Amino acid sequence: AQRVTQPEKLLSVFKGAPVELKCNYSYSGSPELFWYVQYSRQRLQLLLRHISRESIKGFTADLNKGETSFHLKKPFAQEEDSAMYYCALRPPTGANNLFFGTGTRLTVIP
Amino acid sequence: KAGVTQTPRYLIKTRGQQVTLSCSPISGHRSVSWYQQTPGQGLQFLFEYFSETQRNKGNFPGRFSGRQFSNSRSEMNVSTLELGDSALYLCASSTDGWEQYFGPGTRLTVT
Repeated sequence: AQRVTQPEKLLSVFKGAPVELKCNYSYSGSPELFWYVQYSRQRLQLLLRHISRESIKGFTADLNKGETSFHLKKPFAQEEDSAMYYCALRPPTGANNLFFGTGTRLTVIP
Repeated sequence: KAGVTQTPRYLIKTRGQQVTLSCSPISGHRSVSWYQQTPGQGLQFLFEYFSETQRNKGNFPGRFSGRQFSNSRSEMNVSTLELGDSALYLCASSTDGWEQYFGPGTRLTVT
């Protein structure tokens, strides 16, 4: 069965410091991995997807199939990065069902 | 483009009652997925509808059901409400591509 684990519920970093939000998954196959973000009083929105290998707002995430991880990284955290971050997995079945981790609340301290 | 809308935004019901929640997707989106968010279980997938057909279903009891209309609007229904059904219910729409666009949610409180 699929499972997404985000080991840190809370993470605080100082502005300008590097940040890494961890995500590990279990799935027998080749799922698609995503990071979704929810800023205060805003909707859940897509931040990154592994297949596009892009950098959004300075964030990157590399899919490591050997370690079954999809950690989110940013070299220099900004105050506006403070938000709730969810790692999500979508099975390669063609259907739109996402399996979410429990989320990490990131706080960037000025 | 207008975003995903959900009505009502807040709802209070009593145990044993039933409730219907509505979701209007972004124009042109044919896929609508529903999720339940609770502090204990986090975000859990309920079901997905595509072109009026349920395409996928999560691990929820039969009290949870849904449907989709020809204009892609979707409703979900919960019958015989239990206290544990108190949650934020999110819907998300998609063009059947990678990205799901989420609505603001309906907060259901069961007393």
